Amino acid sequence: NAGVTQTPKFRILKIGQSMTLQCTQDMNHNYMYWYRQDPGMGLKLIYYSVGAGITDKGEVPNGYNVSRSTTEDFPLRLELAAPSQTSVYFCASSYGWEKLFFGSGTQLSVL
Amino acid sequence: DAKTTQPNSMESNEEEPVHLPCNHSTISGTDYIHWYRQLPSQGPEYVIHGLTSNVNNRMASLAIAEDRKSSTLILHRATLRDAAVYYCIPLRAAGNKLTFGGGTRVLVKP
Repeated sequence: NAGVTQTPKFRILKIGQSMTLQCTQDMNHNYMYWYRQDPGMGLKLIYYSVGAGITDKGEVPNGYNVSRSTTEDFPLRLELAAPSQTSVYFCASSYGWEKLFFGSGTQLSVL
Repeated sequence: DAKTTQPNSMESNEEEPVHLPCNHSTISGTDYIHWYRQLPSQGPEYVIHGLTSNVNNRMASLAIAEDRKSSTLILHRATLRDAAVYYCIPLRAAGNKLTFGGGTRVLVKP
């Protein structure tokens, strides 16, 4: 099993550009999450999904969009990137109440 | 969703036990208590979880209060590699807006 795979690992964007952060899991998990972590700070929930076709906002959803067309994939879309979106992004998945698996993160800089 | 309260930081000497408390007084009866840790420059990793009974694994032990309003993560013999931020979070079986609090930063002194 590969677990939770995030791509890319690093990315530099210019202000106003758009991009999609990819997240895929091969564990047939129903729950998937996107978090961001600013330097020296804790994890903030952006969006989450409890199953294919179902997504919901987290604590800091503005500036982001998600979709969950399959169980495996949960891409995070940034539209009109802003410097405030410079952060490390983590994707995670779980099966119900069982343990959460995290990806290795995507380090994004918006300049 | 249940909220948690943890001390901001704790220090320990190497080879000594570390007891990390977590208050989750608003936890519901179906919430599992999970603990994760985040080593420097890494993503969070699972440590342990439980519902009502105390739990042990190779990384740590979890002691859950009888009323489930608090729990304690126990690192039996801290090593330098245990220096991390430790988070406790209630995880619900049926749909979770899973948010992390500030966690406890553990410093292990040689």
